[in-house]
Amino acid sequence: GAVVSQHPSWVICKSGTSVKIECRSLDFQATTMFWYRQFPKQSLMLMATSNEGSKATYEQGVEKDKFLINHASLTLSTLTVTSAHPEDSSFYICSARAFGGSYNEQFFGPGTRLTVL
Amino acid sequence: TQLLEQSPQFLSIQEGENLTVYCNSSSVFSSLQWYRQEPGEGPVLLVTVVTGGEVKKLKRLTFQFGDARKDSSLHITAAQPGDTGLYLCAVRTQSGTYKYIFGTGTRLKVLA
Repeated sequence: GAVVSQHPSWVICKSGTSVKIECRSLDFQATTMFWYRQFPKQSLMLMATSNEGSKATYEQGVEKDKFLINHASLTLSTLTVTSAHPEDSSFYICSARAFGGSYNEQFFGPGTRLTVL
Repeated sequence: TQLLEQSPQFLSIQEGENLTVYCNSSSVFSSLQWYRQEPGEGPVLLVTVVTGGEVKKLKRLTFQFGDARKDSSLHITAAQPGDTGLYLCAVRTQSGTYKYIFGTGTRLKVLA
């Protein structure tokens, strides 16, 4: 149980295009999902916290107009990188906290590698 | 300022050696987690420690939470190539949306 999937697993796009990444909780309902970005050989940096049915809360320094987050249902959150540029190339990982679950517990997706040419 | 500092940043050791990774902060936390991440994958939870001074063992891995709940260590005995990966400590913030913050990471490579 407690499986989180991400789609796509990797994507290559041209500079200036927008890319949507999906994060799904497959066997549980997730009231809260988190989006992280990880550059090569670095740790995970929290980008935003997404709560179902409400606006996402972005971390300092993360542009909300560039990284659009939608959490329309209890099993799906999406991250759209708008007008992507090469500096947005990174590994994007989501995690989900189960409805009614422990606040100590988050389940991670396998990540999406974005390469912007 | 990084909330959670890990040391060392990189570690390359021979199979069979022991090692310790540290996670330090000036803040007090109600709990702390350790994860291992392999390239191209999401982090996998190893352990959660919640009590000051707590020690937990997971096969050859020993985790300790500092008495003051500001720091933690991960000790690996007789490291194996399969232990290679990025080790991350993480804490949950105390209020608000209870978000999770990760440490700076320790990249371990165990050579056969």
